[in-house]
Amino acid sequence: NAGVMQNPRHLVRRRGQEARLRCSPMKGHSHVYWYRQLPEEGLKFMVYLQKENIIDESGMPKERFSAEFPKEGPSILRIQQVVRGDSAAYFCASSLQEASNQPQHFGDGTRLSIL
Amino acid sequence: RKEVEQDPGPFNVPEGATVAFNCTYSNSASQSFFWYRQDCRKEPKLLMSVYSSGNEDGRFTAQLNRASQYISLLIRDSKLSDSATYLCVVNPTSGGSYIPTFGRGTSLIVHP
Repeated sequence: NAGVMQNPRHLVRRRGQEARLRCSPMKGHSHVYWYRQLPEEGLKFMVYLQKENIIDESGMPKERFSAEFPKEGPSILRIQQVVRGDSAAYFCASSLQEASNQPQHFGDGTRLSIL
Repeated sequence: RKEVEQDPGPFNVPEGATVAFNCTYSNSASQSFFWYRQDCRKEPKLLMSVYSSGNEDGRFTAQLNRASQYISLLIRDSKLSDSATYLCVVNPTSGGSYIPTFGRGTSLIVHP
């Protein structure tokens, strides 16, 4: 399956712990986007990355959240010192090139639950 | 005004009905448009691109009206399996920040 792969599918953390979410884009895709979705809500853009570069992080909270997309390996969304409000579904999407005329393809998402 | 607006619904229709959704966008320079489908607790899946001349894929027809800045999705002969949330997506023009804008979605419920 050459689709967007996210892991883990479900992640449970206690308040104050760290959460690491991984995303491997589709083969040949070098653009990665992270979104957050609360129940009954729309997708909220968080960050857009290309290999080794953060292009736009305007949707990501300044504190506790960080993202990277290294030269080798998956993109990582990291949430430090998690709080109950971080509970959500986190989706990663990739596209072949700059999104001007390319659709995004989504992974299955990671459901993060904070106890 | 929100960048991309959709009627949240729900649209409740019987099997076999024809249903249409609209989506309005505020950036007149937007370049490309898509419809996605999202089932409950699942990821969004690309349904179809929207071309200026309009395009059809089986029971689904997408249209773009640049003058009025909206896109539409028409579903004919609705099936139970069409029940989902339909998201419209507007991609920006080149030269700016390449962040697609998603609508919040229109919920469709097809009943027997």
